[in-house]
Amino acid sequence: AQSVTQPDIHITVSEGASLELRCNYSYGATPYLFWYVQSPGQGLQLLLKYFSGDTLVQGIKGFEAEFKRSQSSFNLRKPSVHWSDAAEYFCAVGPAGDKLIFGTGTRLQVFP
Amino acid sequence: KAGVTQTPRYLIKTRGQQVTLSCSPISGHRSVSWYQQTPGQGLQFLFEYFSETQRNKGNFPGRFSGRQFSNSRSEMNVSTLELGDSALYLCASSPRGGTNYGYTFGSGTRLTVV
Repeated sequence: AQSVTQPDIHITVSEGASLELRCNYSYGATPYLFWYVQSPGQGLQLLLKYFSGDTLVQGIKGFEAEFKRSQSSFNLRKPSVHWSDAAEYFCAVGPAGDKLIFGTGTRLQVFP
Repeated sequence: KAGVTQTPRYLIKTRGQQVTLSCSPISGHRSVSWYQQTPGQGLQFLFEYFSETQRNKGNFPGRFSGRQFSNSRSEMNVSTLELGDSALYLCASSPRGGTNYGYTFGSGTRLTVV
């Protein structure tokens, strides 16, 4: 069965510091991978997605993620975090034509 | 282009009552999916509708049901509410459904059961 693991429940960084959020997935074939962000009381906003091709994908708000098949990972990165990036981040996987399976999320806190 | 609209935003119900939540997808999108989000269970898939037909279903009891209308608007119903049904219910629309087409989420309906 497909699954997604986000090992870090809560991460705290200083504004301006770099960020990496981890995501590991379990899936038999090449999955479709997503990162979503959720601000308090809001829905999910798509940051980026990977379907195929270049393993480094660029998203909105300066985020990028790298697909590593050998490690079954799809980690999210940002070189310099802004206070407005504080939110909860969800990694998701889904086979083509099927539903999304979400990880448990990583809450990001940003200190000035 | 309007996004996904969910109504109401907040709802308080009593145990044993039933509730109906509404979702209007992005214009032209024919697929609507519903997810339940709770602190303990995270985001869990409820069901997906495409062209008025349920195409996929999660592992929820029969108290949870849904439907989709010819204009692609969808409603979700929960009968005989339990305290554990308190959650944020998220609707997501997609042009044709399935991960390869991508999903756009609404802001959700926060349901509190007392």
